[in-house]
Amino acid sequence: DSGVTQTPKHLITATGQRVTLRCSPRSGDLSVYWYQQSLDQGLQFLIQYYNGEERAKGNILERFSAQQFPDLHSELNLSSLELGDSALYFCASSVDGRYSPLHFGNGTRLTVT
Amino acid sequence: GQQLNQSPQSMFIQEGEDVSMNCTSSSIFNTWLWYKQDPGEGPVLLIALYKAGELTSNGRLTAQFGITRKDSFLNISASIPSDVGIYFCAGQRTQGGSEKLVFGKGTKLTVNP
Repeated sequence: DSGVTQTPKHLITATGQRVTLRCSPRSGDLSVYWYQQSLDQGLQFLIQYYNGEERAKGNILERFSAQQFPDLHSELNLSSLELGDSALYFCASSVDGRYSPLHFGNGTRLTVT
Repeated sequence: GQQLNQSPQSMFIQEGEDVSMNCTSSSIFNTWLWYKQDPGEGPVLLIALYKAGELTSNGRLTAQFGITRKDSFLNISASIPSDVGIYFCAGQRTQGGSEKLVFGKGTKLTVNP
């Protein structure tokens, strides 16, 4: 158990809808990262937060947004969903958001129908 | 963007055999990380390497940080069925004042009993 908690585990929704994925980092970790993993694809970095502030942005679509709250949990919002958004979405956390390794949650599997 | 070339893409081996996989890049990295992902779960950190030339073991796993800082390898000795999964390398470097983490596309390992 990595200590990173993601909910829900599975999500099935229709095109055009909006969903929110939730992540609680490991105790003591200040930084949260979001990654997307499509079928047979590697991990695509979406966005990183450190102590409530956005620190780095990757290949995140404009339809997607995220935030990190004062209690350090994070939410990833996906809107106007398309079939191609179906994927595993992972949250990871690290202590300092710079040099310490990332620890991943077990992901949310999103299926858009 | 930066690329990590991870090879092989997949491996099919017999139980008891040794396994070797590697990652190379044209860029220099400060840290190399190796993760394993089991089906339906998030990547789990196996080994972290912080210094060029560093050789680190974790049970039957051994990883090295290449002396040029542009590559790393992971060896698994005496493979067992539970070694099945996807192994990812990740390189971390400082770019534009922030730390960037780049993942390889993974090596899918199948172990035949």
